[in-house]
Amino acid sequence: DIQMTQSPSSLSASVGDRVTITCRASQGLRNYVAWFQQKPGKAPKSLISAVSSLQSGVPSRFSGSGSGTDFTLTISSLQPEDFATYYCHQYDRYPYTFGQGTKLEIK
Amino acid sequence: EVQLVESGGGLVQPGRSLRLSCTTSGFTFGDYAMSWVRQAPGKGLEWVGFIRNRAYGETTEYAASVKGRFTISRDSSKSIAYLQMNSLKIDDTAVYYCRVGDYGQWGQGTLVTVSS
Repeated sequence: DIQMTQSPSSLSASVGDRVTITCRASQGLRNYVAWFQQKPGKAPKSLISAVSSLQSGVPSRFSGSGSGTDFTLTISSLQPEDFATYYCHQYDRYPYTFGQGTKLEIK
Repeated sequence: EVQLVESGGGLVQPGRSLRLSCTTSGFTFGDYAMSWVRQAPGKGLEWVGFIRNRAYGETTEYAASVKGRFTISRDSSKSIAYLQMNSLKIDDTAVYYCRVGDYGQWGQGTLVTVSS
């Protein structure tokens, strides 16, 4: 199975900060990496597919990049509603796998 | 507006069965694969499985942890995806989400608790 290792596991930041979350795959991937946001008690929300394609309605402060084994999610200027847990997800090879999550908290 | 509503969760004893439904609207169900993902209490997301659309033979893929026990199916006439769960184990306790394809809209989830 492909392991997706996110770093950091948790992160404290302030409104307005630029934040980057990294996901490293145990094997090289094609561009089949997605990112999801989850708030406590809520279902995940799709942010990005195919490494860098923003889902409809997702603010442009979110962006994704990467290739091979290293992928990143960047939030250019944190807003109060962005404090949540973020997951990367590979859908290149079965079984599909998720990263363990990065909890983004208010500093 | 795309909507997915899971139902069928509840408390079940180990070894028993349960069938979850994912009722959808707002998109052409037959054109899309459907996925199931679960989340154990306080834990991260775990991919459960996937059913392709009719154009790809409605074939399925599963995580090793559920293969042989869980079956995903779909009824395109009703726009519903199903997750049949047999031989349930305590470790299957989780909120189960359905999702459009590999990265689309998610449902709100339904809680399955496996306990004696």
